[in-house]
Amino acid sequence: EAGVAQSPRYKIIEKRQSVAFWCNPISGHATLYWYQQILGQGPKLLIQFQNNGVVDDSQLPKDRFSAERLKGVDSTLKIQPAKLEDSAVYLCASSLNRGTGTQYFGPGTRLLVL
Amino acid sequence: GQQLNQSPQSMFIQEGEDVSMNCTSSSIFNTWLWYKQEPGEGPVLLIALYKAGELTSNGRLTAQFGITRKDSFLNISASIPSDVGIYFCAGQDVGYSTLTFGKGTMLLVSP
Repeated sequence: EAGVAQSPRYKIIEKRQSVAFWCNPISGHATLYWYQQILGQGPKLLIQFQNNGVVDDSQLPKDRFSAERLKGVDSTLKIQPAKLEDSAVYLCASSLNRGTGTQYFGPGTRLLVL
Repeated sequence: GQQLNQSPQSMFIQEGEDVSMNCTSSSIFNTWLWYKQEPGEGPVLLIALYKAGELTSNGRLTAQFGITRKDSFLNISASIPSDVGIYFCAGQDVGYSTLTFGKGTMLLVSP
């Protein structure tokens, strides 16, 4: 079974530029999560989707971050404009459904904002 | 918000030694999970615990869900060099909502 796919794996941009990340969850997984992991920290949830609807985006900085999962499968996370403090690893995870703690993570996208 | 205190922050041990790390929370969790993250990769689930007092093993790894539901520990026996990585605890609250992660324990194993 294929795991969670993410691209790109690495991205370097200058501050105030825009960037987008893509995630393809495990087939059949209804719930998709985007996490931000700053160096030396554990992952922090940004947004959670159930199919194509947002369940929890309370930690998402909505002035600059946006995410969508239009057809309930793939998802994109966008930052516009980026700030220096956005440098982090952005992890996508999926689970079969809400209520199960078994989240499977992708390899992440490493973002460096200069 | 909820906070998880994970300790120790890092460990440097000799191959063959046993390792113990733990997590404590300011609030009750319904599920405790332990993940391992290697450089350049996402976290990989090692053990999931669903019931207070539960003791679960996965090979050389053993984890327990504390009776108070506010803590958990992970033991690794007879460590080997491939155990190197960062180990994260994560808790899921009674509302079955999101996971809260600890800050991780970095494990280094010397051959």
